[in-house]
Amino acid sequence: SQQGEEDPQALSIQEGENATMNCSYKTSINNLQWYRQNSGRGLVHLILIRSNEREKHSGRLRVTLDTSKKSSSLLITASRAADTASYFCATDFYNNNDMRFGAGTRLTVKP
Amino acid sequence: DADVTQTPRNRITKTGKRIMLECSQTKGHDRMYWYRQDPGLGLRLIYYSFDVKDINKGEISDGYSVSRQAQAKFSLSLESAIPNQTALYFCATSDGLAETQYFGPGTRLLVL
Repeated sequence: SQQGEEDPQALSIQEGENATMNCSYKTSINNLQWYRQNSGRGLVHLILIRSNEREKHSGRLRVTLDTSKKSSSLLITASRAADTASYFCATDFYNNNDMRFGAGTRLTVKP
Repeated sequence: DADVTQTPRNRITKTGKRIMLECSQTKGHDRMYWYRQDPGLGLRLIYYSFDVKDINKGEISDGYSVSRQAQAKFSLSLESAIPNQTALYFCATSDGLAETQYFGPGTRLLVL
């Protein structure tokens, strides 16, 4: 079964707007990662946040983690048409060695 | 040159055939993974390997087998392909310390 679940499943915004995607998970984790996938291509790592961190930034990306609510959010600020892709969260089970991916959020940024 | 390569990129096969998907990496990572992706279901882990002598089953290993021929090579086999194994297959590697995974471009498999 999937560990992370993204919300919403699909998001459509205008260029320049902010995009927020959420991820919820079920069990304790060591870290949570966000990946991006352009249509039919391999996933590209965006950012990793550890269980003892609450917020991380990378360029126009901001990730938050709330371990009490078992949830994370990915914010993309000032979106561009090139940000159009699917975004996945991935979590590792605490004391386990594999990662579980959510079903993803499909983001469309209209020029 | 790409750090993680997969061959073939596309493959059409028939039910019952044996097929091998290959993955090679130049990143020098010990950990390698095979995932499948189905529409709307995200990625699911098939097998993973932490070094040449360490192979582990993932979430959906039934119907698949793997071989870690060297640190840089990790192959996935479908012993007798069936139509519900039609999917996009990804190989990934990671440095155990960093835990970020680096993905190959994927192999699109169609089983008729």
